[in-house]
Amino acid sequence: RKEVEQDPGPFNVPEGATVAFNCTYSNSASQSFFWYRQDCRKEPKLLMSVYSSGNEDGRFTAQLNRASQYISLLIRDSKLSDSATYLCVVGNFGNEKLTFGTGTRLTIIP
Amino acid sequence: DAGITQSPRHKVTETGTPVTLRCHQTENHRYMYWYRQDPGHGLRLIHYSYGVKDTDKGEVSDGYSVSRSKTEDFLLTLESATSSQTSVYFCAIRQTGAPYEQYFGPGTRLTVT
Repeated sequence: RKEVEQDPGPFNVPEGATVAFNCTYSNSASQSFFWYRQDCRKEPKLLMSVYSSGNEDGRFTAQLNRASQYISLLIRDSKLSDSATYLCVVGNFGNEKLTFGTGTRLTIIP
Repeated sequence: DAGITQSPRHKVTETGTPVTLRCHQTENHRYMYWYRQDPGHGLRLIHYSYGVKDTDKGEVSDGYSVSRSKTEDFLLTLESATSSQTSVYFCAIRQTGAPYEQYFGPGTRLTVT
């Protein structure tokens, strides 16, 4: 079983729609959680950290469920510029090491 | 912008030759990382450093060595390049405070022929 598992997609979503991704992790001792986005042939960029209480940043909402060991990302009112691959990332204590999912590819359709 | 640069950005080399990739940061971060990214795999950690001359192995360290003689530079060396080391290599730094996010450089695309 992979340490971090994501549905690879692709998700093809019309502009303005809401889309949600889930990610599961296997190590119950994981301490930190992130979503990164990666555009084609570019470096991963931090989208948001995920906190136990859930957090929101504009159109983006992240949730953490420690009991079930999954993380979710919700994108509302999707824009063409949201087209990218979204990486679920899990860290150990102090984030000395991160474990990356293989990513979920999202395409927003005009 | 986390002030990270990588050089070269693209390189084509032949099997058996040594290759060194450079990562340079301008913000005095203690932790630096080298990852590789391949289709079907998430980013995988090669080596990381937690200070000058302090390094440790990641999950895919075979065939790679690293050095960090200055805080700002972290070098990745492929001792004798093989075709399986064709990949995109990313350097990253870790922020000092919680939640200790990592930020990535622009990447080096390496092709071993």
